[in-house]
Amino acid sequence: SYELTQPLSVSVALGQTARITCGGNNIGSKNVHWYQQKPGQAPVLVIYRDSNRPSGIPERFSGSNSGNTATLTISRAQAGDEADYYCQVWDSSTWVFGGGTKLTVL
Amino acid sequence: QVQLVQSGAEVKKPGSSVKVSCKASGGTFSSYTISWVRQAPGQGLEWMGRIIPILGIANYAQKFQGRVTITADKSTSTAYMELSSLRSEDTAVYYCASDYGGNSPFEYWGQGTLVTVSS
Repeated sequence: SYELTQPLSVSVALGQTARITCGGNNIGSKNVHWYQQKPGQAPVLVIYRDSNRPSGIPERFSGSNSGNTATLTISRAQAGDEADYYCQVWDSSTWVFGGGTKLTVL
Repeated sequence: QVQLVQSGAEVKKPGSSVKVSCKASGGTFSSYTISWVRQAPGQGLEWMGRIIPILGIANYAQKFQGRVTITADKSTSTAYMELSSLRSEDTAVYYCASDYGGNSPFEYWGQGTLVTVSS
């Protein structure tokens, strides 16, 4: 079965840029979605189909996908961005989530 | 704007079954699919399966094959997830989420239902 690999944690200084990676075999050939989840809340879609932002998501959130790695980039990180982030792909008629990355804003 | 409202928390004994509901409002129930995703305490998201209400066809993650049943009632715009042979490791928050099929993302999520399995 297809696997997605994310770092357990990423730290970023307030106002700096955070990059969260999602690794998978030839993931660049798939569409990747990203979700943000804060404690006690349901996940929220922040990037869909690699690099598209839903309405209401700040422009500070962006995404890219190539080769074996997809990346979620959060520019000018704010305290409110502190959360868990998950990547997701569709493979062989199933949805697959990455293990999740905890973003800490210092 | 789709809203998904789930049933309340459950406490179950090992070996029993649980059935969680997810009622949709807004949008057209038959135009999207409903997935079920669970999250054990302190753990990540795990997809369990989905149903296409207009077709009544469900498919499941291999891990849950034979133990989970996902159904939908078009007349009430409600999807259900039933998990049987419960064990302590099934203690988790269970979410329903909707997408428009194909490779579209989960735009809308339910609020989550905590299922606790304990003797």
